[in-house]
Amino acid sequence: SQQGEEDPQALSIQEGENATMNCSYKTSINNLQWYRQNSGRGLVHLILIRSNEREKHSGRLRVTLDTSKKSSSLLITASRAADTASYFCLKGTGGFKTIFGAGTRLFVKA
Amino acid sequence: DAGVTQSPTHLIKTRGQQVTLRCSPISGHKSVSWYQQVLGQGPQFIFQYYEKEERGRGNFPDRFSARQFPNYSSELNVNALLLGDSALYLCAGEDIRTDTQYFGPGTRLTVL
Repeated sequence: SQQGEEDPQALSIQEGENATMNCSYKTSINNLQWYRQNSGRGLVHLILIRSNEREKHSGRLRVTLDTSKKSSSLLITASRAADTASYFCLKGTGGFKTIFGAGTRLFVKA
Repeated sequence: DAGVTQSPTHLIKTRGQQVTLRCSPISGHKSVSWYQQVLGQGPQFIFQYYEKEERGRGNFPDRFSARQFPNYSSELNVNALLLGDSALYLCAGEDIRTDTQYFGPGTRLTVL
């Protein structure tokens, strides 16, 4: 089965600071997606990066993918209190999907 | 366009009972996946259906079953409920053109 982990498990920063979280995986992927979850609600899709891409931006989000290291990073710049949530990465293989680990819990202090 | 809908929002059952959860994906999305998320943990994959066929199954017992209907909506059934089945059950429809999954708000199941 697919495996991977996000780290750190928890991150606490001040508003305005940048937040970086990482995702690792063990098997090949077609793409990797990042999702946000607020307080036990449904997951919201943030950004998708394909295996032939190295970096992608969306607003204050920057995602990098290093297929040689089988890892991805999500950077949230100029964080806001509203960014407080759990963040998960999901590996796209073209087949069924799994979401790895317990995610990164981000807390942004106002 | 309406998002992914799930019903019911909350559900309380007792051990040994059976439950059916429902999901409707975004119009045009033919793939539906189900996930279980226990409090404090990440979602765990249960099933994926595409065009009414089971495409994948996670590491869950046979008490869990699902089906997809011609309109691409889906049901997840859980028999002989255990306390450990208490969780948030998430449904996601997939846009196969972009490989993006769109999640519903979830059904919170409590087993007493």
